[in-house]
Amino acid sequence: SYVLTQPPSVSVAPGQTARITCGGNNIGSKSVHWYQQRPGQAPVLVVYDDSDRPSGIPERFSGSNSDNTATLTISRVEAGDEADYYCQVWDSSSGAVFGGGTKLTVL
Amino acid sequence: EVQVLESGGGLVQPGGSLRLSCAASGFTFSSYAMSWVRQAPGKGLEWVSGISASGDITYYADSVRGRFTMSRDNSKNTLYLQMNSLRAEDTAIYYCAKVPGYIVGATLDYWGQGTLVTVSS
Repeated sequence: SYVLTQPPSVSVAPGQTARITCGGNNIGSKSVHWYQQRPGQAPVLVVYDDSDRPSGIPERFSGSNSDNTATLTISRVEAGDEADYYCQVWDSSSGAVFGGGTKLTVL
Repeated sequence: EVQVLESGGGLVQPGGSLRLSCAASGFTFSSYAMSWVRQAPGKGLEWVSGISASGDITYYADSVRGRFTMSRDNSKNTLYLQMNSLRAEDTAIYYCAKVPGYIVGATLDYWGQGTLVTVSS
């Protein structure tokens, strides 16, 4: 089965840039999607197809994907960005696969 | 406004059954695939199953295949998840999510607030 690996936690000061990675075998050949989940709330799509943003998502959220690593970048981090972030791909054998999630802490 | 609203969760004994529903509104339900995703207490997201827009193709995670059945009634704009032979490890919040396309295999662009299923004696 296909496995996505995320760091358990990332910490960043307000105004700085946060980068959350998602590792997978040849993930660059797949479309990667990212979700934000604030405590007690449902997940929200923040980046899809590697680097596209749904309407209403700030430009501060961006994504990239190459080789074995996809990255979600959050620029000018705000306190409201504190949440869990999950990457996801579709694998023909496993179905939809999620990474284990990364807790973003704003210091 | 796109909305999906889950219902049907509750407490069930191990080995029991439960049927979840997801009522959709704000979009042409019959044109979009749908998925169920669950989240055990304090854990990450786990995809459970997906269904094509027409309902003729379904996909399941290995952990639920043979026990869960996903279906839809496009005339009622409603999605279902029939869960049989429930186990303690099925305890989770179950989310209904819309796929922005006819077939499963893309992102999940709208999620419901979830319904809690607890499997315990």
